Amino acid sequence: DTGVSQDPRHKITKRGQNVTFRCDPISEHNRLYWYRQTLGQGPEFLTYFQNEAQLEKSRLLSDRFSAERPKGSFSTLEIQRTEQGDSAMYLCASSRKREGRHNEQFFGPGTRLTVL
Amino acid sequence: AQSVTQLDSQVPVFEEAPVELRCNYSSSVSVYLFWYVQYPNQGLQLLLKYLSGSTLVESINGFEAEFNKSQTSFHLRKPSVHISDTAEYFCAVSWGSALIFGKGTTLSVSS
Repeated sequence: DTGVSQDPRHKITKRGQNVTFRCDPISEHNRLYWYRQTLGQGPEFLTYFQNEAQLEKSRLLSDRFSAERPKGSFSTLEIQRTEQGDSAMYLCASSRKREGRHNEQFFGPGTRLTVL
Repeated sequence: AQSVTQLDSQVPVFEEAPVELRCNYSSSVSVYLFWYVQYPNQGLQLLLKYLSGSTLVESINGFEAEFNKSQTSFHLRKPSVHISDTAEYFCAVSWGSALIFGKGTTLSVSS
């Protein structure tokens, strides 16, 4: 168990550029979540996958955001035409679905995005 | 919808003093409650959780939290803090498959 990993850890981009982040969950976890954390705020839920299916998306996830988990393992989060308001820490978490029980989420270190 | 309110944005304390970080949630249904800790430049780590059973839950590093259904609270306490406890603490409640977080409380422990 190597934990949840995210790449890159930091990304600086210019307004209007596209960026893509990657998340590798804990290997036996079939659920994967994306959250966004802005300065002075707690993390906000964006979306989650069970295996390769994207089951829920927050209203925070605008049309410029797209997430994929093509083989049910790693996931990517892409932001198109970045805006300064997209500057935030993007957190990934994973969990193992167990029927009738809470699924504890394990978080990665995050990708800090700065849009200039 | 669920919401979580952390009543204190910053809590400065001296080493070995007791501390309480307050958390209130809004819900009319059964919930799961959590406290996460975030050290500088690191991800969130689960500190403790209430799922069911005893309303008092404890962590391995001396923190405890008490679930109070009538007051919809889940305050975090530690009888004696250490410098190493300096971090951001987030209270969270489950909502479907997602977690709803409060804005966080910065605990600053000084000598």
